[in-house]
Amino acid sequence: DTGVSQDPRHKITKRGQNVTFRCDPISEHNRLYWYRQTLGQGPEFLTYFQNEAQLEKSRLLSDRFSAERPKGSFSTLEIQRTEQGDSAMYLCASSLAAYGNTEAFFGQGTRLTVV
Amino acid sequence: DAKTTQPTSMDCAEGRAANLPCNHSTISGNEYVYWYRQIHSQGPQYIIHGLKNNETNEMASLIITEDRKSSTLILPHATLRDTAVYYCIVTGANSKLTFGKGITLSVRP
Repeated sequence: DTGVSQDPRHKITKRGQNVTFRCDPISEHNRLYWYRQTLGQGPEFLTYFQNEAQLEKSRLLSDRFSAERPKGSFSTLEIQRTEQGDSAMYLCASSLAAYGNTEAFFGQGTRLTVV
Repeated sequence: DAKTTQPTSMDCAEGRAANLPCNHSTISGNEYVYWYRQIHSQGPQYIIHGLKNNETNEMASLIITEDRKSSTLILPHATLRDTAVYYCIVTGANSKLTFGKGITLSVRP
């Protein structure tokens, strides 16, 4: 297993376009998280799934953002009508929900630049 | 989730121990202390976590005070590759991580 994989690594898009990112978690992990990180700040939580169920969404996740995790495997994060303020690193993490052993492992992120 | 407080930055000499402090005075009984680090342009890397006992792994040691209101991450022999931002995070059962700004550790030759 090569860990959490994110695709693409970099994305440049024009303002107003839609973009979709993909995250492949570690295979046996049932939890999957999305975070966003801007320059000089720590990652900010966006949403998380347990299996296919989206259990929590941050207020940061506006109506233009949607995330899915069909069949509890990979996940996609879509941003519609991108704005320059969406430029950030989007990080995915996965973990195995088990009492006392729930460290999350992160992918390398997708860096989005909206021009 | 309880909030944490960390110094903004610190440095240490290569080969020496790096002791990174964290305050979490509002931690509740079922919350864990996690440490992650992030090297420039990479995703955060898990280091260690604990509930109330001290923990050690191949990367670091975590010392949690008896009242659980603070903790210290110890890198026993810091190397240049340990230069990174280190995040102390307190979280509950859902493992949702709330990152602050972390502490920037600079290891000098």
